[in-house]
Amino acid sequence: SAVISQKPSRDICQRGTSLTIQCQVDSQVTMMFWYRQQPGQSLTLIATANQGSEATYESGFVIDKFPISRPNLTFSTLTVSNMSPEDSSIYLCSVPSDRGDTQYFGPGTRLTVL
Amino acid sequence: RKEVEQDPGPFNVPEGATVAFNCTYSNSASQSFFWYRQDCRKEPKLLMSVYSSGNEDGRFTAQLNRASQYISLLIRDSKLSDSATYLCVALSSYKLIFGSGTRLLVRP
Repeated sequence: SAVISQKPSRDICQRGTSLTIQCQVDSQVTMMFWYRQQPGQSLTLIATANQGSEATYESGFVIDKFPISRPNLTFSTLTVSNMSPEDSSIYLCSVPSDRGDTQYFGPGTRLTVL
Repeated sequence: RKEVEQDPGPFNVPEGATVAFNCTYSNSASQSFFWYRQDCRKEPKLLMSVYSSGNEDGRFTAQLNRASQYISLLIRDSKLSDSATYLCVALSSYKLIFGSGTRLLVRP
């Protein structure tokens, strides 16, 4: 399976600020995914990041709030903009398996917004 | 209605017990199914894929019933280290749809 790292691992931020989360994978992948896991909840897909094109956002998520970059096939960033306490969550990136039928996850970024 | 539904538990069982988790899914077009395991404050990790023919990996057995849109996971001879949240997952198009998870606590 791919080795995926995320930075930062955790952060505590003030309301109204923005945080950019980085995701690095040790192999080239066409698609990378960003998920949110709110306290006590399961994972919800935010968007799919494809290299060389705009990210595809799921219902309820918009680019202005969660801008995504995908500059190359091994790296992506997710920015949580103008944060509020409701954005407190774990943010995870993932990549498809070699067969493409499942995904492997990064360690996550635990965000607390005060 | 959630697309993937699970009993949240917790299931509190003694070591050595056999425990079964169930999951239902609503999208009949879902192509593949998985069980993931998530430890506290960790990322989800793939436990096993689920096939109609059933598949077994050591103490773990997974089963898919497409007619009933039902997925199960059986854990035999539970270990303390099996304590975790077990996530039922369906692949629809290229997207993974997660259930809310079933929490398992194995006690000495």
